Parts: sequence; C-alpha cells; structure tokens
Amino acid sequence: KNEVEQSPQNLTAQEGEFITINCSYSVGISALHWLQQHPGGGIVSLFMLSSGKKKHGRLIATINIQEKHSSLHITASHPRDSAVYICAAGAGSYQLTFGKGTKLSVIP
Amino acid sequence: KAGVTQTPRYLIKTRGQQVTLSCSPISGHRSVSWYQQTPGQGLQFLFEYFSETQRNKGNFPGRFSGRQFSNSRSEMNVSTLELGDSALYLCASSLGGEDTQYFGPGTRLTVL
Repeated sequence: KNEVEQSPQNLTAQEGEFITINCSYSVGISALHWLQQHPGGGIVSLFMLSSGKKKHGRLIATINIQEKHSSLHITASHPRDSAVYICAAGAGSYQLTFGKGTKLSVIP
Repeated sequence: KAGVTQTPRYLIKTRGQQVTLSCSPISGHRSVSWYQQTPGQGLQFLFEYFSETQRNKGNFPGRFSGRQFSNSRSEMNVSTLELGDSALYLCASSLGGEDTQYFGPGTRLTVL
C-alpha cells in the first residue's frame, strides 16, 4: 500500500514569495499528480508527471523517482494562489493515493 | 467542451436510506473514477470504470457500488447509509490511460 506524505500541512506566505510544497511516497509509481482545490471543493489537475520537471506559468513541478519525492514550486506567489494543494500517487492501475494536502494562504 | 457534471450537488439523507449519485464525463472520455473526501480521511479512491467495466476498487465496504453506461455516464450507489458516509463525493473523467483527470464539482452528501 502506498503512503503519501505532504509537507508542510499549512503554509502562509507574503505575496511575491517563492513557495515549495513537498510530497513523498513509499512505493514505486507510474505517475505523480498535483491537484489544486479551492474553497467550495472544486479540484483542478495542475500536473501529472512521471519523470523530470514540468512548468506551467508560475508553477513548476519536479519529481525524483529514485528518492520517491516530488515538489511543487510557485514563483512570485499571489493571493489567488491561496488553495489546498494535494499530491496523489498513481500506481498504474488508475487508483490514486492522496496526500492530506497543504493549505496555502498568500497574504497581500 | 462541457466539463464533468455531477448531480445532485447537495443531498440530505437519513441513516439506513440509500442514495444514487450521477456523473457525466467530458465528451470522449471513457474512464470515470469516484472519490470520497472527508475532513478526517481526506481524499480516498472508491472505484474506476472504463468502457462499462470496473477496473479497480478502493478499500470500501460492499455498500458502495457503481456502474458505467455505454455513453460513459456513471452512477455510484451507497446502500444502508451511515453517519460516516457524510462526505463530498467527487468523480473525475479521463481519456482512459494514465491521463490527466478532470474533476466534477462534487456532490455533498449529508447523512442525518
């Protein structure tokens, strides 16, 4: 059974700061997903990656398969980035195991 | 393209009743996954359907079941509701491989 750990659980940042959220998993995976959930429940898929690095706007996701670790970075953070960020490990069988999430608050 | 839709958005039931939730995937998507989200347990995988076949099931009791129709729409059913079944139920659709999942807005179920 895959265990997915995220850190930190809560994060408060000043607008413009560089933010890093970490995710570790215990067994091999086929893909690592980063999700964003806003108040009210809506979930948006940010990245799905199995190796290396992906970038979309101010968001960057990296994964180290050997270390079983992934990071989500937000450059030049903005209050609209305030949300819960969730990582999920996919084991190739379409079953995702989720971390508990990181609640990010960006203060103007 | 229309996104993933879920109906109803809110539901209140009493213990012992059963409930059916519906999910309509993005057009062309053949995979539908269901998830339960609670404050205590977070997001948990329920099951995944592809072309009307259940491909994988999470660690939930048999009271939780689902199905998928030929048009890829999916339903999940929970029988003999318990207080602990109160949760946000989310479905997500994808093309079918190890693809990006697109989430619906969820159905918030309250069991009294």
